[in-house]
Amino acid sequence: TQLLEQSPQFLSIQEGENLTVYCNSSSVFSSLQWYRQEPGEGPVLLVTVVTGGEVKKLKRLTFQFGDARKDSSLHITAAQTGDTGLYLCAGEDSSGTYKYIFGTGTRLKVLA
Amino acid sequence: SQTIHQWPATLVQPVGSPLSLECTVEGTSNPNLYWYRQAAGRGLQLLFYSVGIGQISSEVPQNLSASRPQDRQFILSSKKLLLSDSGFYLCAWSGGQGSAYEQYFGPGTRLTVT
Repeated sequence: TQLLEQSPQFLSIQEGENLTVYCNSSSVFSSLQWYRQEPGEGPVLLVTVVTGGEVKKLKRLTFQFGDARKDSSLHITAAQTGDTGLYLCAGEDSSGTYKYIFGTGTRLKVLA
Repeated sequence: SQTIHQWPATLVQPVGSPLSLECTVEGTSNPNLYWYRQAAGRGLQLLFYSVGIGQISSEVPQNLSASRPQDRQFILSSKKLLLSDSGFYLCAWSGGQGSAYEQYFGPGTRLTVT
């Protein structure tokens, strides 16, 4: 069974600080997605990484896919209160069933 | 562009009552469709997914069921709700005319069973 473990589970930081969230697995994924979810809303897709070693930037957010395609990281530079939310990583199950495996989530709170 | 709708947005139902949640997708054809449940502040639990009309795969045995009567319509049902069915229900789609890798989520339905 493929699993995605995220760390840390909770993170509370001051505005302006940097942070990194990790998404790890012992399995290879063909791609990984990162989502952000705000309370009472559905998750919103941030980025998809496909190639091992790939780095993508979305303003102050930097996403990296591990060389072996088993892990990914999300780095936020100079966090803002608007970054507060639940961050989820996800990958497509390799069994070809069109299912997605979701990480356990990282709840980020950025304090003003 | 593609959009996904869920209704109702919130629902309060007594234990033992029936349930019907509806999800529809616009702007794509032959999508894969999914129902997830999310406990407060937690990750997503996959309940059902469908790769075509009438094709339903169940991930978690429970008193819920799903149906896909039309290509872009996905319905989550129960004959008798339990207290443990409370949660945030999310519908999602993938494939179709979208990216092969990504899922897109609806706004969710908050269900409270009393």
